[in-house]
Amino acid sequence: GAGVSQSPSNKVTEKGKDVELRCDPISGHTALYWYRQRLGQGLEFLIYFQGNSAPDKSGLPSDRFSAERTGESVSTLTIQRTQQEDSAVYLCASSLVFSGGAGAETQYFGPGTRLLVL
Amino acid sequence: AQSVTQPDIHITVSEGASLELRCNYSYGATPYLFWYVQSPGQGLQLLLKYFSGDTLVQGIKGFEAEFKRSQSSFNLRKPSVHWSDAAEYFCAVGARLGTYKYIFGTGTRLKVLA
Repeated sequence: GAGVSQSPSNKVTEKGKDVELRCDPISGHTALYWYRQRLGQGLEFLIYFQGNSAPDKSGLPSDRFSAERTGESVSTLTIQRTQQEDSAVYLCASSLVFSGGAGAETQYFGPGTRLLVL
Repeated sequence: AQSVTQPDIHITVSEGASLELRCNYSYGATPYLFWYVQSPGQGLQLLLKYFSGDTLVQGIKGFEAEFKRSQSSFNLRKPSVHWSDAAEYFCAVGARLGTYKYIFGTGTRLKVLA
């Protein structure tokens, strides 16, 4: 596609429910990243995928968070037993080349999913 | 610890005035440096990036940034601001930091007065 797309654009859920957030990267982009942006704060790195390689999960805030990616395409971020502090905008980005050791990639961001946990 | 600091949370300038947004980083070597802009309701867009070479880099929309190693800074500038520049600006560092990460600053929200 023309850009990174994310769905849903907005999600309201009740505390304790599970949610799934979807990201469609730019076609051909090998790397995919998830970030969280809380209100008034910067971007918090969550996880990245490089093709089929095992992801770096070091940024995930708790074991309630998990992510999957199918090949070099769609990724799903799942939050189980949501808490109010999970309320944030979740941003996905993709990049064409992953240098494997140097953060030189230009990341292309989707519009985000705004999650509100009541 | 590695970090990126944007000391100005909010900046207000008049249309046509010059602009400088500050960014300081803490890292053991020269990192890759980026500036992104986030307009209301839109995703982040890359303005410019510095990898090596000329320390003054030009970006889109008339923006430029200067890497100063001695000051660990990468400030963003524009000589004449337009009302459409009102947005949030993020400085980011890309490097191998234990495990691969991008580190973003907390952002500077720019307001432009007509």
